[in-house]
Amino acid sequence: EMQLVESGGGLVQPGRSLTLSCTTSGFTFGDYGMSWFRQAPGKGLEWVGFIKSKAFGGGTTEYAASVKGRFIISRDDSKSIAYLQMNSLKIEDTGVYYCNGDHGDVDAFDIWGQGTMVTVSS
Amino acid sequence: QTVVTQEPSLTVSPGGTVTLTCASSTGAVTSGYYPNWFQQKPGQAPRSLIYFTTQKHSWTPARFSGSLLGGKAALTLSGVQPEDEAKYYCLLYHGGAQRWVFGGGTKLTVL
Repeated sequence: EMQLVESGGGLVQPGRSLTLSCTTSGFTFGDYGMSWFRQAPGKGLEWVGFIKSKAFGGGTTEYAASVKGRFIISRDDSKSIAYLQMNSLKIEDTGVYYCNGDHGDVDAFDIWGQGTMVTVSS
Repeated sequence: QTVVTQEPSLTVSPGGTVTLTCASSTGAVTSGYYPNWFQQKPGQAPRSLIYFTTQKHSWTPARFSGSLLGGKAALTLSGVQPEDEAKYYCLLYHGGAQRWVFGGGTKLTVL
């Protein structure tokens, strides 16, 4: 069974950093592009960014304008884990963060994790 | 700032047919926007239903179909079931700085 499990969420003060992990199993991680999405409480979905697979997409990264320069997405293919490093956090970064896997980097956004909550508050 | 617009809410009777649409403030939606559709039920993660405008995943029920309709992306549910009650989000690719942009979602009520 293909699984993505996010971890690392919690309460953090504005201006601080937090790193989320997306641990995967049940599929060939190296063949998947990995994206991060988020959802503020009671609001809609927002794309945060992605890292392409090295096999199909050269491992390139792209970010939403709202997080560019503050967030970094990386991947460890040997461990089948994707990461979202969040720096200079703002209150408006609060929400549930979902990771997503896309087989072959074809923008089909196949597999979703269950999400991890990040609360930015003083 | 690119805005993607969906109907805020729709109501359909069980067994009926309903079409949800997805428009972009940049102009007519084409296949080059790579429309995706997702279903999200309360307290759950989203689930991908449609990609590349019309393509279904192996788990997508046959009653769901994607298309382009009048300059918008569309998701049609034919023979609606009670379990289809959910919020549906479209996602469009815009390139540039904004890349992928979601619509605000359509809350579908089956009544």
